[in-house]
Amino acid sequence: QKEVEQDPGPLSVPEGAIVSLNCTYSNSAFQYFMWYRQYSRKGPELLMYTYSSGNKEDGRFTAQVDKSSKYISLFIRDSQPSDSATYLCAMSPYSSASKIIFGSGTRLSIRP
Amino acid sequence: NAGVTQTPKFRVLKTGQSMTLLCAQDMNHEYMYWYRQDPGMGLRLIHYSVGEGTTAKGEVPDGYNVSRLKKQNFLLGLESAAPSQTSVYFCASLIQSPGELFFGEGSRLTVL
Repeated sequence: QKEVEQDPGPLSVPEGAIVSLNCTYSNSAFQYFMWYRQYSRKGPELLMYTYSSGNKEDGRFTAQVDKSSKYISLFIRDSQPSDSATYLCAMSPYSSASKIIFGSGTRLSIRP
Repeated sequence: NAGVTQTPKFRVLKTGQSMTLLCAQDMNHEYMYWYRQDPGMGLRLIHYSVGEGTTAKGEVPDGYNVSRLKKQNFLLGLESAAPSQTSVYFCASLIQSPGELFFGEGSRLTVL
């Protein structure tokens, strides 16, 4: 079993829809949770990060962590064609530089 | 500000040939990483370094070697390339943990 599971998609939604992207994990030591966005033929870029449980909002993006269920989510409101990319979740134990584990990524397409 | 630069961006090798991928960062980051990205597998850590002169194995180190002789450079070597090493390789750097990984644009390697 992988430590981090992520549905690979692809996911296709119309412009303006709310998008929900999710990851589950098995390691209860994970405390730092990240979402990276990767455009085609580019390197991943950090989109959001959260510590422990709770919600964090940044513009149209909301990251949610439920440690009791070992489940994290990224919500995109008012989705735009420019949001079309692969979204990777990543997580690590706090302050562990060596154990940053990535999900396999979900490919998202926003239809104009 | 260049960030993380990888060379070469593309390379085709024959089985058994050797090559070196170079990663250079100009952000004075202590931590550097080499990942490979394959369809459906996400980013998998090959080797990493927590400072100049140090290296450590990641999740999939077999068939690769690394060196960090200078703080700004992290080299990934393939001594005898195999078709299973066909992949996109990403270098990343981190100033402190936890924190944001800065990625290069990737090096696409094909082994025939």
